[in-house]
Amino acid sequence: EAGVTQFPSHSVIEKGQTVTLRCDPISGHDNLYWYRRVMGKEIKFLLHFVKESKQDESGMPNNRFLAERTGGTYSTLKVQPAELEDSGVYFCASSREGGGDTQYFGPGTRLTVL
Amino acid sequence: AQSVTQPDIHITVSEGASLELRCNYSYGATPYLFWYVQSPGQGLQLLLKYFSGDTLVQGIKGFEAEFKRSQSSFNLRKPSVHWSDAAEYFCASNRDSWGKLQFGAGTQVVVTP
Repeated sequence: EAGVTQFPSHSVIEKGQTVTLRCDPISGHDNLYWYRRVMGKEIKFLLHFVKESKQDESGMPNNRFLAERTGGTYSTLKVQPAELEDSGVYFCASSREGGGDTQYFGPGTRLTVL
Repeated sequence: AQSVTQPDIHITVSEGASLELRCNYSYGATPYLFWYVQSPGQGLQLLLKYFSGDTLVQGIKGFEAEFKRSQSSFNLRKPSVHWSDAAEYFCASNRDSWGKLQFGAGTQVVVTP
């Protein structure tokens, strides 16, 4: 069974540019989560999809971040326009059920905004 | 506010020695508790989790954790570390029925020969 994949692994952009991160969850996993780790801080929740619906987006920092999960398969997280403070590692995780079901994490996308 | 605390940012341990990583949580009731490990270039991998029942939980790679309600702790232990255990370890919890995880700051473990 393939794990959670994320693309790209690294992205370096300039302030004001747009970046789109992609996450492919494990097949059959209805639940998809995005988390972010800013340097020196803890990993923080951004949002949660159940299939194609946003169940909880309470962790999204502001309206420069837009997440989608069309068709309930892969998800994208777009940052537009990017700011310096958006730099960090963005993790995606998926699980079959919600609650305490095990979340399987991807390797993360390291975003650097210059 | 709900929180997860890992007091140790960095731990150095000799290969073959025992390891204990601390985790404390602050909630009104017992949350679900998890330990994840991240090796360089890898995603987070679940080591073990606790929901209820037996307070000593066995995980993968020879790790175990003990839930102590009286101390609001969920410390991770390994009797004898291997060089491959060098990684960053995260304690996490959720009380959200949908699975939103709250993480501690992480503990970086360095293993010396």
